[in-house]
Amino acid sequence: QVQLQESGPGLVKPSETLSLTCTVSGGSISSYYWSWIRQPPGKGLEWIGYIYYSGSTNYNPSLKSRVTISVDTSKNQFSLKLSSVTAADTAVYYCARGISPNYYYYYMDVWGKGTTVTVSS
Amino acid sequence: SSELTQDPAVSVALGQTVRITCQGDSLRSYYASWYQQKPGQAPVLVIYGKNNRPSGIPDRFSGSSSGNTASLTITGAQAEDEADYYCNSRDSSGNHVFGGGTKLTVL
Repeated sequence: QVQLQESGPGLVKPSETLSLTCTVSGGSISSYYWSWIRQPPGKGLEWIGYIYYSGSTNYNPSLKSRVTISVDTSKNQFSLKLSSVTAADTAVYYCARGISPNYYYYYMDVWGKGTTVTVSS
Repeated sequence: SSELTQDPAVSVALGQTVRITCQGDSLRSYYASWYQQKPGQAPVLVIYGKNNRPSGIPDRFSGSSSGNTASLTITGAQAEDEADYYCNSRDSSGNHVFGGGTKLTVL
């Protein structure tokens, strides 16, 4: 049973860089897409981006200038960096495994429990 | 990037059928996936592809698509189905977007 666990600081100062890691256990990081999604308090889900195990990435255009997602296959981990954060980046951050059997669909079948990140001085 | 539109709230009587819809141009080309989220919990995948349910999802959940609209149908809604439901799809650039979510109330 694949499990995902987010980790990282729960408090980040404005203008600094938010850094989170997702550890994949119970399965390999290979052959899947690995996504980050966030949810501001009381609001809906927002896709941040994904990385394929081989290293190719795709980011939400609205966040692209500030986001970097990387993967470390040796540690079965992938990471999120979001620079120049503001209070608007305060959210629960989720990592998830993505599957795309063909060009026409993609789904996220395993999610981490989420980690709350607050941006405040 | 593309947008997906959902009704903010829907209600259904216990045991009745409810359909939650998701509209967007990208749905003409790509399938939606659907996620259930209960308060304080991570989202759970309930439908993906044409009409596929992950293991453990009750068969009262089903999906369909027509034109620019994807639908999640719950046939015989149960109290435990009360939750927020989100659709998700990709666009031609490979970007992904979530709908705004639908809060389902089971009366």
